[in-house]
Amino acid sequence: EAEVAQSPRYKITEKSQAVAFWCDPISGHATLYWYRQILGQGPELLVQFQDESVVDDSQLPKDRFSAERLKGVDSTLKIQPAELGDSAMYLCASSSGQRDEQYFGPGTRLTVT
Amino acid sequence: AQKITQTQPGMFVQEKEAVTLDCTYDTSDQSYGLFWYKQPSSGEMIFLIYQGSYDEQNATEGRYSLNFQKARKSANLVISASQLGDSAMYFCAIEAGTASKLTFGTGTRLQVTL
Repeated sequence: EAEVAQSPRYKITEKSQAVAFWCDPISGHATLYWYRQILGQGPELLVQFQDESVVDDSQLPKDRFSAERLKGVDSTLKIQPAELGDSAMYLCASSSGQRDEQYFGPGTRLTVT
Repeated sequence: AQKITQTQPGMFVQEKEAVTLDCTYDTSDQSYGLFWYKQPSSGEMIFLIYQGSYDEQNATEGRYSLNFQKARKSANLVISASQLGDSAMYFCAIEAGTASKLTFGTGTRLQVTL
């Protein structure tokens, strides 16, 4: 069964350092999402791609976060510099279209010390 | 903007019993979809069930059913014959209008007991 892949699964970094997460969506899924889930809350969308184009990045803190999906397949989310408040689970999801279920990866649990 | 409200932070149910997890939503869009996801302690989000705003019948997927009451803007998840493996966080989410992003509630932690 096809799955969304994410790496690393866990990351510990010191504040002010740079950190990057990788996501490989299900093959053929044009839409890719990055969500952030703070402990005790539901996931919140950071950025949405349709193929290689950003569709929605209204909640992405652009002063420190960046995301790219250069060839419309896998994607990288970067934080530089990391802050203590960035500690969270970062979830990647993909779907084949609107109203289709989003398939989530296992997530990257980030701890900033 | 869309909003999901889950008022039950935690629920307990005995094994083999049925349980209802509450979800109310708010949207000004006429076209929307409602989703339920399960999140075990390992962290991954597992899709459970989907209900479209124009679907006339309540959605069912195995032991999961969605009690959709459009006029009350509620989309409660019913789990029948609970199993120990059902212990997890459950999130209700909405996708509305032309956007395809999901807006999630704060979740309900379900604990199944013997």
